[in-house]
Amino acid sequence: ILNVEQSPQSLHVQEGDSTNFTCSFPSSNFYALHWYRWETAKSPEALFVMTLNGDEKKKGRISATLNTKEGYSYLYIKGSQPEDSATYLCAFLHNDYKLSFGAGTTVTVRA
Amino acid sequence: EPEVTQTPSHQVTQMGQEVILRCVPISNHLYFYWYRQILGQKVEFLVSFYNNEISEKSEIFDDQFSVERPDGSNFTLKIRSTKLEDSAMYFCASGAYEQYFGPGTRLTVT
Repeated sequence: ILNVEQSPQSLHVQEGDSTNFTCSFPSSNFYALHWYRWETAKSPEALFVMTLNGDEKKKGRISATLNTKEGYSYLYIKGSQPEDSATYLCAFLHNDYKLSFGAGTTVTVRA
Repeated sequence: EPEVTQTPSHQVTQMGQEVILRCVPISNHLYFYWYRQILGQKVEFLVSFYNNEISEKSEIFDDQFSVERPDGSNFTLKIRSTKLEDSAMYFCASGAYEQYFGPGTRLTVT
């Protein structure tokens, strides 16, 4: 069982503020890291697939960084909006394409 | 935009009954998966399927579970004799390096 940890479990952000949270994973046998955004009753939406150490990806106000040597990734939300409220899941992609998920960080943006 | 679909969205069944959860993956994808999330726990891998056979399965995927691709479009998960602990949200996904998820089927076993 591969342990993927996310912290914090939940956070509350004021609209307009920026925030970030962490995903940690074993640094050995790294293949790729996925970030998903998941709203209740909807499909988890793929945000990023990250593979290279030092990678930084951006999608609108959301960005992510990757450190494969120390086994962590940060997700950043700049200028949070109420529509950013969701659970953000990270998942370690094994080389057989199986995903091992973290427990998620639930973000609530207060207007 | 192509998407993964799942039916039903919610299934309630009695303990010991058989259930079949259905998925239509994205049409040109070759790898298919089932994952589940028990309430309050992490999303867990159950099984992956490629070239009409199981390529990988977790220890959760015991003899009570089976998967099938009965035609060119559907991908099903069958639980033969449901237990209370099978109550969970079941997600289908397709893709490989990038995976696309369906909206899930919430299975409630009473």
